[in-house]
Amino acid sequence: GAGVSQSPSNKVTEKGKDVELRCDPISGHTALYWYRQSLGQGLEFLIYFQGNSAPDKSGLPSDRFSAERTGGSVSTLTIQRTQQEDSAVYLCASSSGTGKGKNIQYFGAGTRLSVL
Amino acid sequence: RKEVEQDPGPFNVPEGATVAFNCTYSNSASQSFFWYRQDCRKEPKLLMSVYSSGNEDGRFTAQLNRASQYISLLIRDSKLSDSATYLCVVTASGGYNKLIFGAGTRLAVHP
Repeated sequence: GAGVSQSPSNKVTEKGKDVELRCDPISGHTALYWYRQSLGQGLEFLIYFQGNSAPDKSGLPSDRFSAERTGGSVSTLTIQRTQQEDSAVYLCASSSGTGKGKNIQYFGAGTRLSVL
Repeated sequence: RKEVEQDPGPFNVPEGATVAFNCTYSNSASQSFFWYRQDCRKEPKLLMSVYSSGNEDGRFTAQLNRASQYISLLIRDSKLSDSATYLCVVTASGGYNKLIFGAGTRLAVHP
């Protein structure tokens, strides 16, 4: 079946503009995660959803970042008033559940965001 | 101190060599442990979960030492296609969801 799908694959924007990144998880996966990977750095957790609720949004770097999930499926990560330090690859992952044995996370190919 | 520490490498090895990577994690409450592989400019892909009893998948063997908070990955008979960055991953304290990634160990296998 289809894997995690992210769009756009690349986004170039000007400083101060808002951007929306989309993630379509594997069908039937109830949990969805957003991570960020800056150049040469490890992956950094941003937020995760169980269904449409976000039990842990501790990794969102500032109030310019927000995410939502609707219908227990597609999620959107929004960055308002983008800054150059927001440039990174934004990765989405999904898992079939959140308990032990169900928490294997499968990643999408990411959205490469460049803020000029 | 980083939550998950790995030697960044690179490890440059010839085909057929055996290579071992190590990783330490700081939070004793972590519950799940994984090795992911990441090719250049690609997404991470699960290589294997890591269990306390140790587990093997073909040429790959993973070990977990909870007392020492240490995880290892052994690759036998290295192939050119094994060249990648290997990410040590643990779950955050008390749960199974939030993944904490090491910065990765780069492996280059040469002919």
